[in-house]
Amino acid sequence: SQTIHQWPATLVQPVGSPLSLECTVEGTSNPNLYWYRQAAGRGLQLLFYSVGIGQISSEVPQNLSASRPQDRQFILSSKKLLLSDSGFYLCAWRGRGNNEKLFFGSGTQLSVL
Amino acid sequence: LAKTTQPISMDSYEGQEVNITCSHNNIATNDYITWYQQFPSQGPRFIIQGYKTKVTNEVASLFIPADRKSSTLSLPRVSLSDTAVYYCLVVLNTGGFKTIFGAGTRLFVKA
Repeated sequence: SQTIHQWPATLVQPVGSPLSLECTVEGTSNPNLYWYRQAAGRGLQLLFYSVGIGQISSEVPQNLSASRPQDRQFILSSKKLLLSDSGFYLCAWRGRGNNEKLFFGSGTQLSVL
Repeated sequence: LAKTTQPISMDSYEGQEVNITCSHNNIATNDYITWYQQFPSQGPRFIIQGYKTKVTNEVASLFIPADRKSSTLSLPRVSLSDTAVYYCLVVLNTGGFKTIFGAGTRLFVKA
């Protein structure tokens, strides 16, 4: 069966520090991968999505970046965190077929202080 | 991509049936309608998906009128544990790519 792993679960970082969140998927190949962010009490904001290795589409201009070095690995990064980067970050994947569902990781709660 | 509009919040009592309606006026021919449920500090999880008429599973029913410009998620006999945010998505039937969530509906179930 397919599983998605996302870590760490919680993270407290000072302003100006770098960030690296990792997400891996098991049990499937060539998935579409997504990074979402959710501010407290708000909806999900699509940050990046990827349809293949090295292929990243950005939805929101900001100081975050994403990379997909391997088929089932998706990384969210920042060189210098801002206070506004605080939030709940979710990685998700879906298959290539029609009507595929999204499956989410357990999320990372990031607090930038 | 078709934009969706849902009520911001709804209240209900245990044992009642809850219907949450989503508007998607510019839905395209190939788009499917999918609903997700999210609990605090968790990722959303799939509830139900449909294209037209009615779909039912062990959790919910989804009603889609002929013009497909709206859909209604029906939760039978809700319990306190159904308190969550419910998202309606219109998913392009091409196997992936951009998937954007709306604001969702916060359902509060009271005892």
